[in-house]
Amino acid sequence: EPEVTQTPSHQVTQMGQEVILRCVPISNHLYFYWYRQILGQKVEFLVSFYNNEISEKSEIFDDQFSVERPDGSNFTLKIRSTKLEDSAMYFCASTPVEGNQPQHFGDGTRLSIL
Amino acid sequence: RKEVEQDPGPFNVPEGATVAFNCTYSNSASQSFFWYRQDCRKEPKLLMSVYSSGNEDGRFTAQLNRASQYISLLIRDSKLSDSATYLCVVKTGGFKTIFGAGTRLFVKA
Repeated sequence: EPEVTQTPSHQVTQMGQEVILRCVPISNHLYFYWYRQILGQKVEFLVSFYNNEISEKSEIFDDQFSVERPDGSNFTLKIRSTKLEDSAMYFCASTPVEGNQPQHFGDGTRLSIL
Repeated sequence: RKEVEQDPGPFNVPEGATVAFNCTYSNSASQSFFWYRQDCRKEPKLLMSVYSSGNEDGRFTAQLNRASQYISLLIRDSKLSDSATYLCVVKTGGFKTIFGAGTRLFVKA
């Protein structure tokens, strides 16, 4: 079964540095998402992306964050000037179409800010 | 009121028990509903979509009551492998997906 893949599985970064989290969605999927989950808390929606642009974003997704689909396969989340509170699991997800389709999640990147 | 609210749990049940999870949502315009399970430090995995007519997949039954803005999941004949956190997930119109905080289930031998 095709799956969403994320790299790296664990990223350790010094506070203030920039990080790029990478995702390869399922190949025929058109809608892409990023979520984060702080340890012990619920999964939180960050952003959705379709047709090379952001379709919706949450209040968490401020100017510190950006997303990009630099080529036909990768979907990236960039976090600038990282803060301690950015430490979390970041999950990428994708769906083939919108509407009632469930999202398929990657196995996440654990981001640790020191 | 939280957008998606679930029983706080945890639920501790013996093998073979029937367990029910409840979820309510606040946005009456919500369009799609799902149950996911999440194992410790793992990604959410789709358990089942929830349809207005109710749906069943083996030991799992999901129900949706739009009038009450209520979703349920029933697990029959619980197995040790059912131990996980169960997440109620609601999609509003548009692209936003809201997760409940989850209900932890422990199934014991």
